[in-house]
Amino acid sequence: GAGVSQSPSNKVTEKGKDVELRCDPISGHTALYWYRQSLGQGLEFLIYFQGNSAPDKSGLPSDRFSAERTGGSVSTLTIQRTQQEDSAVYLCASSLDADNEQFFGPGTRLTVL
Amino acid sequence: QKEVEQNSGPLSVPEGAIASLNCTYSDRGSQSFFWYRQYSGKSPELIMSIYSNGDKEDGRFTAQLNKASQYVSLLIRDSQPSDSATYLCAVNAGGYQKVTFGTGTKLQVIP
Repeated sequence: GAGVSQSPSNKVTEKGKDVELRCDPISGHTALYWYRQSLGQGLEFLIYFQGNSAPDKSGLPSDRFSAERTGGSVSTLTIQRTQQEDSAVYLCASSLDADNEQFFGPGTRLTVL
Repeated sequence: QKEVEQNSGPLSVPEGAIASLNCTYSDRGSQSFFWYRQYSGKSPELIMSIYSNGDKEDGRFTAQLNKASQYVSLLIRDSQPSDSATYLCAVNAGGYQKVTFGTGTKLQVIP
């Protein structure tokens, strides 16, 4: 079956612009995560959606970052007024529920010039 | 603050040897444990999940869980150069809480 998909695969933007990153989780998966990974670094948790519960936004680094998940499926991560330090790979993962293994998408590589 | 600790490495082992990767966690109530492999420039991919104390084997991989000591390990037998990657430990405390990842251990298998 289809895995987790993310779009775009690469995004180059200018400092100060807004960007939207999209994640399509595996069908039926109730849990969805966003992570950020800078070059040579570990996974940095950003936000977690579980079913209809309020999302865990504790990892969002600033109020420029927001995410939503519509209809319990597709999720969009929005970064407003991008900064150069936002350059990283943004990974989305989904799992059947919170107790099960996550499956990762291929990521979106964001470059802020 | 739930923590998952891993030695960053690199851990270097000769081809054919056993690689032993370790992970400790702080939340004694943790329920689910996962090992992921991440090649450079790629996304993490699941290797194994383990939920009960003891060993779980899958091919050349064995996951070991000791809840009393709060550690989980991954053994890779007959290590191959293709096993060279960063290995991530992930722990879930249950109750719909989010999974916490360790920072990963870089493994180098020397031909």
